[in-house]
Amino acid sequence: GENVGLHLPTLSVQEGDNSIINCAYSNSASDYFIWYKQESGKGPQFIIDIRSNMDKRQGQRVTVLLNKTVKHLSLQIAATQPGDSAVYFCADSGGSNYKLTFGKGTLLTVNP
Amino acid sequence: ETGVTQSPTHLIKTRGQQVTLRCSSQSGHNTVSWYQQALGQGPQFIFQYYREEENGRGNFPPRFSGLQFPNYSSELNVNALELDDSALYLCASSKDRRGYTFGSGTRLTVV
Repeated sequence: GENVGLHLPTLSVQEGDNSIINCAYSNSASDYFIWYKQESGKGPQFIIDIRSNMDKRQGQRVTVLLNKTVKHLSLQIAATQPGDSAVYFCADSGGSNYKLTFGKGTLLTVNP
Repeated sequence: ETGVTQSPTHLIKTRGQQVTLRCSSQSGHNTVSWYQQALGQGPQFIFQYYREEENGRGNFPPRFSGLQFPNYSSELNVNALELDDSALYLCASSKDRRGYTFGSGTRLTVV
């Protein structure tokens, strides 16, 4: 089906370590991907996006990697901080110009 | 630049009632999308409004309806509320359907 799923529902890391959150998608028409961070009681906050004509994009402390061959997306967070603790969602446009399809999310916990 | 504002933040309704949720889009944005997020789940697309017209719809029944106004603010209306409608309702705005910014949502509880 046209789902965006996540490999791991939870991830626990030590402060200062690097975090990697993974996501699989199934829609081959997908051409736009976004990572969102959602803290308790808040709406999703944009982190970084990538289009299908790229395989890597870097932001501040974050990197998104896209492997279209295996339909896999990952978010890397460098030097993870306690403030990074949240649920992370990948979202996929699925070739649509009007909707995003979200996965269930990964809960990232950063231990001090 | 103001962000996306939703009201109310919390709401309790009785099964069978009707509810209206409101969203003020970010300045300069002309597109509003609505999502339903059940507890522990990712947001599910309800519909989108672009320049005051419905531009796309997810798998939600007709009792979910909406409006977009000339100032690009929007309303989500839900009729004949059911217990399963209890969720966080999120509004996201964008400029020409790119780069969506989400509000903090309205927590709806149906009892």
